Amino acid sequence: QLQESGPGLVKPSETLSLTCSVSGGSVASVTYYWGWIRQSAGKGLEWIGSVHSSGNSFYNPSLQSRASISVDTSKNQFSLNLNSVTAADGAVYFCVRRIYSSAWSHEWYFDLWGRGGLVTVSS
Amino acid sequence: SYELTQPPSVSVSPGQTATITCSGSALPKFYTYWFQQKRGQAPVMVISKDSARPSGIPGRFSASKSGTIVTLTISGVQTEDEADYYCQSTDNTGTYPVFGGGTTLTVL
Repeated sequence: QLQESGPGLVKPSETLSLTCSVSGGSVASVTYYWGWIRQSAGKGLEWIGSVHSSGNSFYNPSLQSRASISVDTSKNQFSLNLNSVTAADGAVYFCVRRIYSSAWSHEWYFDLWGRGGLVTVSS
Repeated sequence: SYELTQPPSVSVSPGQTATITCSGSALPKFYTYWFQQKRGQAPVMVISKDSARPSGIPGRFSASKSGTIVTLTISGVQTEDEADYYCQSTDNTGTYPVFGGGTTLTVL
């Protein structure tokens, strides 16, 4: 299971920080990437980025300059930092797991999702 | 940037067949996945790797691919199938995941 946690309210220009706790598996597993997807109110799904415990990472080009995802194997969790937020960053943020295989390295198979956490950006 | 195109909405009566399309130039090269999202809930995968049904997904959900168009078919639609449906695949560079804009299925 995946469970998001973090502040539900962030001020404009500040950094949004969320953590995803992983149970029933290890973030150190070579089989998975760990990432975040967000959904603004009434809108579609937007992938933010995904990282592997090896350090390999991918980010949405539109958010790459502001987003950073890290894995903490000691706590079996991973985190998202999104800096310089604006109202447009207010959304439900889902943490997700991607199954990875070198045999189909171009595939993005999101097999496990957290329930989502709402973040509002407002002063 | 690369996009997957879905119709904004589809409406059917209970018991009928619903079809939701997703188009994208790179779809022939990569798998497509379909997610169902009910109001206030996280998305749930209903189709993986173009046409496979994950464990626990009813048999009325199926999908097919023809060229640059993939189609999700829900046969014998039930009221509980009313939800938003998203297709997802890999972008045309083979690097990043991309989602379609979503289709709202209304069961009248």
